[in-house]
Amino acid sequence: EDKVVQSPLSLVVHEGDTVTLNCSYEVTNFRSLLWYKQEKKAPTFLFMLTSSGIEKKSGRLSSILDKKELSSILNITATQTGDSAIYLCAVANAGGTSYGKLTFGQGTILTVHP
Amino acid sequence: EAQVTQNPRYLITVTGKKLTVTCSQNMNHEYMSWYRQDPGLGLRQIYYSMNVEVTDKGDVPEGYKVSRKEKRNFPLILESPSPNQTSLYFCASRATGGDTQYFGPGTRLTVL
Repeated sequence: EDKVVQSPLSLVVHEGDTVTLNCSYEVTNFRSLLWYKQEKKAPTFLFMLTSSGIEKKSGRLSSILDKKELSSILNITATQTGDSAIYLCAVANAGGTSYGKLTFGQGTILTVHP
Repeated sequence: EAQVTQNPRYLITVTGKKLTVTCSQNMNHEYMSWYRQDPGLGLRQIYYSMNVEVTDKGDVPEGYKVSRKEKRNFPLILESPSPNQTSLYFCASRATGGDTQYFGPGTRLTVL
């Protein structure tokens, strides 16, 4: 059974701090790892990491995939109150050209205080 | 506007009364999927569909049915709902080979 574990489960920081969120996985047929941000509504896509794209960056957010350690980190630098959200990690499992089955971790609740 | 819509957004029902939650997307996406979200458990995939007439089980398919007769629609059917199916449900869609999965607004279901 595929498994994704995120840590920490909850994190409280002050504006300007840098945070690192962790995601580890056990998947029978790894295809890609995805990060999502969820505020008070539906998740929104952040990054997808694959064997051919192990590092992604967008503004203050960046993510790295470590296929050897079966893990990924999501870094957020200079945090802002608008970064407060649940961050979800998911691993895609499928053969072929596209992923189908997706297993999510429990999520990390990030709270950024002013 | 590109979007995934779900109906209803909120539903309170009783045990055993069949219900359907509809999901529709206007982006011509091949892939669609249903998830449930429960506190402490994150999102769990119920069923997914790679294209019309092609569906597969996710991690928690028990008690649910789906169908994909048209590309744009992917309804979730609960034949005999039970209280343990009380949850927040999300539908999502994605283009084949694409990275970004678009989520619907969610349906909050309570089964008494």
